[in-house]
Amino acid sequence: GAVVSQHPSWVICKSGTSVKIECRSLDFQATTMFWYRQFPKQSLMLMATSNEGSKATYEQGVEKDKFLINHASLTLSTLTVTSAHPEDSSFYICSADPGGYNEQFFGPGTRLTVL
Amino acid sequence: AQRVTQPEKLLSVFKGAPVELKCNYSYSGSPELFWYVQYSRQRLQLLLRHISRESIKGFTADLNKGETSFHLKKPFAQEEDSAMYYCALSKGGANNLFFGTGTRLTVIP
Repeated sequence: GAVVSQHPSWVICKSGTSVKIECRSLDFQATTMFWYRQFPKQSLMLMATSNEGSKATYEQGVEKDKFLINHASLTLSTLTVTSAHPEDSSFYICSADPGGYNEQFFGPGTRLTVL
Repeated sequence: AQRVTQPEKLLSVFKGAPVELKCNYSYSGSPELFWYVQYSRQRLQLLLRHISRESIKGFTADLNKGETSFHLKKPFAQEEDSAMYYCALSKGGANNLFFGTGTRLTVIP
């Protein structure tokens, strides 16, 4: 149980285009989902906390107009990288918290490459 | 602001030897501390958390508030312990995690 999926697993796009990444909790409902970014050989950096039905809370230094987060249901959160640029190339990981135990279950990540 | 420090990026030990992965934190409130592990080609998963005070796969970690540390220990390392280990902190009452930079553990046969 407690499986989180991400789609796509990798994506290559041209500079200036927008990319949407989906995060789904497959067998549980998650009131809270999180989005992280991981640069090569570096740690996960929390980008934002997404609560179902409300606006996401962004960490300091993360542009909310650049990284649009939508948490429309208890099993789906999406991250849209708008007007992507090469510096946005990274590994994006989501996690979901089923609530009650303060434990996050992580997705496999999405590798974004912006040309 | 919170901060999690893992001073060792790489750590190699021989099979059967004790292993200790260091983690120090700074946070003015009462944090909750975690260790997450990522095995090769697998996703990140929870290894243990300080409030559980349990041993998982032979690993233990004690929260030392005086030294603001949460070191991960195992008395006898196994080859299957080779992985990337991340120490993480959540602020008391909140559920968002802040990660250290990770330590890659290699257990030499």
